[in-house]
Amino acid sequence: EDQVTQSPEALRLQEGESSSLNCSYTVSGLRGLFWYRQDPGKGPEFLFTLYSAGEEKEKERLKATLTKKESFLHITAPKPEDSATYLCAVQVNTGGFKTIFGAGTRLFVKA
Amino acid sequence: NAGVTQTPKFRILKIGQSMTLQCTQDMNHNYMYWYRQDPGMGLKLIYYSVGAGITDKGEVPNGYNVSRSTTEDFPLRLELAAPSQTSVYFCASQAGGRGGELFFGEGSRLTVL
Repeated sequence: EDQVTQSPEALRLQEGESSSLNCSYTVSGLRGLFWYRQDPGKGPEFLFTLYSAGEEKEKERLKATLTKKESFLHITAPKPEDSATYLCAVQVNTGGFKTIFGAGTRLFVKA
Repeated sequence: NAGVTQTPKFRILKIGQSMTLQCTQDMNHNYMYWYRQDPGMGLKLIYYSVGAGITDKGEVPNGYNVSRSTTEDFPLRLELAAPSQTSVYFCASQAGGRGGELFFGEGSRLTVL
């Protein structure tokens, strides 16, 4: 069964305190791994797609990396406006493609 | 640019009632999805479609039905609503192929009392 697990469930940081969020996955045929950001009351917003082990992508204070079994979202010197829920998702090959999500990590950054 | 449009935004149902959540996209995307999100949780896949006339079950399909008669529309039908279906529902579309970004609607908040 395809499965995506994110940890921790919640993370509280001080402004400027760097950290990482983890996404581990067990899927039959990985086509791509996504990171999304979700603000309260809103739909998820796309951040990154990673396709193969060793790949890295960066956007402002965020950097996503991928291995064969997990992905990390590194947050460098976070600001309060980075507070949100970060969702990891995988696209799997089922004959067509479907995208399944992890439960998310709620990030709180205090000034 | 409209993108993905969901209606209604809010709805209260009584137990046993039925309703349809509407979803329309104007990006000519082949793939469309329905997810539900319970408080403090991630998104659970209900149904998805890879093109007009083709639908498939996701992780939590029980109590729901879908149809895909056109590329643009992907309605979600709730039959005999139950309190367990109280949730926020998101529709999303995707161009298809490997690694394509999902575009989400603003969500439909459904309460079953």
